[in-house]
Amino acid sequence: AQTVTQSQPEMSVQEAETVTLSCTYDTSENNYYLFWYKQPPSRQMILVIRQEAYKQQNATENRFSVNFQKAAKSFSLKISDSQLGDTAMYFCAFMKLGANNLFFGTGTRLTVIP
Amino acid sequence: GAVVSQHPSRVICKSGTSVKIECRSLDFQATTMFWYRQFPKQSLMLMATSNEGSKATYEQGVEKDKFLINHASLTLSTLTVTSAHPEDSSFYICSATTGSGANYGYTFGSGTRLTVV
Repeated sequence: AQTVTQSQPEMSVQEAETVTLSCTYDTSENNYYLFWYKQPPSRQMILVIRQEAYKQQNATENRFSVNFQKAAKSFSLKISDSQLGDTAMYFCAFMKLGANNLFFGTGTRLTVIP
Repeated sequence: GAVVSQHPSRVICKSGTSVKIECRSLDFQATTMFWYRQFPKQSLMLMATSNEGSKATYEQGVEKDKFLINHASLTLSTLTVTSAHPEDSSFYICSATTGSGANYGYTFGSGTRLTVV
């Protein structure tokens, strides 16, 4: 079974600063996908970034980037130049290759302070 | 972009009654839809996966007779909570994908807050 752990229930960051959210996972699979989703107060889940396990290069989407350490089973999210609109719950998620369902971590509540 | 509409956003029902939640893909064909349950300050727990035209696959511990899922068309899936009890109060979220979620992505509905009184 896959488990996804987010050890930081809550975090805060000053506007324009950088913050890193951590995520670790446990799996016996070699090929899989990892995701970061954002859930703002509206409760709509929004995909932030995704990473294929077979790719060594870390994914980047504008201000969002990941540090994917496959051997350590770690998948952290870095948010640069934090904006007030980044305030949300952030969920790390895992999906094994060939499957179609996501396993979510428990989430990290991020607050961007003006 | 892909949009999933979930309705209602909030519903209050009396204990013992049934309530239906709809999940519609507005601009794409959703071959697979997923239903999640989210408790306060907790993660999303997958309840079931439904493929158009076939029976839903329920996760372990989810009562299929209590949480009826229908995916009769490529744009609509429904979750019916039958004989609801206060412990069924929760936030329910659907998501949809066309084909492989890894390739085509998942689109989530905005959720339904169910309160059973």
